[in-house]
Amino acid sequence: AQSVTQLGSHVSVSEGALVLLRCNYSSSVPPYLFWYVQYPNQGLQLLLKYTTGATLVKGINGFEAEFKKSETSFHLTKPSAHMSDAAEYFCAVSDRTSGTYKYIFGTGTRLKVLA
Amino acid sequence: DGGITQSPKYLFRKEGQNVTLSCEQNLNHDAMYWYRQDPGQGLRLIYYSQIVNDFQKGDIAEGYSVSREKKESFPLTVTSAQKNPTAFYLCASTQSAGWTEAFFGQGTRLTVV
Repeated sequence: AQSVTQLGSHVSVSEGALVLLRCNYSSSVPPYLFWYVQYPNQGLQLLLKYTTGATLVKGINGFEAEFKKSETSFHLTKPSAHMSDAAEYFCAVSDRTSGTYKYIFGTGTRLKVLA
Repeated sequence: DGGITQSPKYLFRKEGQNVTLSCEQNLNHDAMYWYRQDPGQGLRLIYYSQIVNDFQKGDIAEGYSVSREKKESFPLTVTSAQKNPTAFYLCASTQSAGWTEAFFGQGTRLTVV
C-alpha cells in the first residue's frame, strides 16, 4: 500500500517569505499526487494535482509543486506568503488496490503566516 | 451548482446512540468516500464505494456502517460500537478513475455528550 509523509506538522513563515511544505510518498509505480488546502471547519479544496506530463505543476492562489521521481517527493511552494494562506495543507496520493482507487492522505501541515 | 452536501454541520450524540450523517452529491460521480479527521492524524478512510450497492471497508471501519442505494447518496451511521466517535467527518466523491481529484463536502462535526 502507498503512504504519504508530510514533514513538519506546523510551519511558520513571515508574510512575503517563501512557503515550502514537504511531501514524500512511497510508491513502486508512478503515482497520482494531489495537494489540498483546508480552512477551519471546512472541507478540503484542491490546490493542484500531478498525473502525467510536466513535472512542475501550477495551482490556484500562486502555489506550485514539483514531482521528483528520484526523490519520491512532491513539495508545495509559493514564492511569497500572504496572510490568507494560513490554513492546513494536505498531500495525497491515489492508490489502486484490487482494481479500485482510494486516496491516501498525509497527516497535514498547518501553515502560520506572521505579519 | 454541482457539489457535495453534508448534513448536519454539527451533531451531538448521547453515549449508546446510533447517529446517521448524510452525504449527497449531484456531480454524477461514481465513487464516494467517508473520512474521519482528528487533530494531528490527517484524514483516515472509513468506507468507500465505487458503484451503487457496493462498498468496501477502509482503514478504520469498526463501529461504522454505510449504504449506497443511490448513486448520489452515501450515508454514514456511527454506531454505539464506535468507542470514540467525537471527530470531524468528511465525505468526498470522485470519478472512478484515480487521476481525478476528490471533491469534499463541508464536513460534520460530531460530539458525544
